[in-house]
Amino acid sequence: EAGVTQFPSHSVIEKGQTVTLRCDPISGHDNLYWYRRVMGKEIKFLLHFVKESKQDESGMPNNRFLAERTGGTYSTLKVQPAELEDSGVYFCASSQALALNYGYTFGSGTRLTVV
Amino acid sequence: AQSVTQLDSHVSVSEGTPVLLRCNYSSSYSPSLFWYVQHPNKGLQLLLKYTSAATLVKGINGFEAEFKKSETSFHLTKPSAHMSDAAEYFCVVTENSGYSTLTFGKGTMLLVSP
Repeated sequence: EAGVTQFPSHSVIEKGQTVTLRCDPISGHDNLYWYRRVMGKEIKFLLHFVKESKQDESGMPNNRFLAERTGGTYSTLKVQPAELEDSGVYFCASSQALALNYGYTFGSGTRLTVV
Repeated sequence: AQSVTQLDSHVSVSEGTPVLLRCNYSSSYSPSLFWYVQHPNKGLQLLLKYTSAATLVKGINGFEAEFKKSETSFHLTKPSAHMSDAAEYFCVVTENSGYSTLTFGKGTMLLVSP
């Protein structure tokens, strides 16, 4: 079974540019999550999709972040325009059901550096 | 509300000696608890999970953790460290009350010396 795949693994962009991160969940996983770790801080929740619908986006930091999951398959997270404080590692995870007994499978993350 | 505190940012051990990574949690409801590990340039890998069954949980690679409700702790242990255990470890809590997100600790970096 293929795991959760994230593209790109690394991205370096200038402040003010746009970046799009992609996550391919495990096939058949309806639940898809985005988390982020900024330097020196905890990994924090950004949002949760159930299929193509946003179940919870309470962790999205501001309106420069836009997440989509067209067709309930892969998801994209766009940052526009990027700011220095957006630098960090962005993780995607997927699960079959609402987590608990199944656990979450995480991708390797995208390391975003804004300069 | 839920929170988790990892008491040590770094732990150093020698190969072959025991490992103890400490975690305390706070939860308004009955919690589920996890330990994840991240090796350099790899994703977060689930080591073990507690979801209200047996309080002593065994995971992969010889790790185990004990859920102690009275102490609100979920410490991770391993009898004998290997060099390959060097990584960052995260204690994670979520609540067993309908929908709840994962709350991560700040992580503990485990260093293993020969």
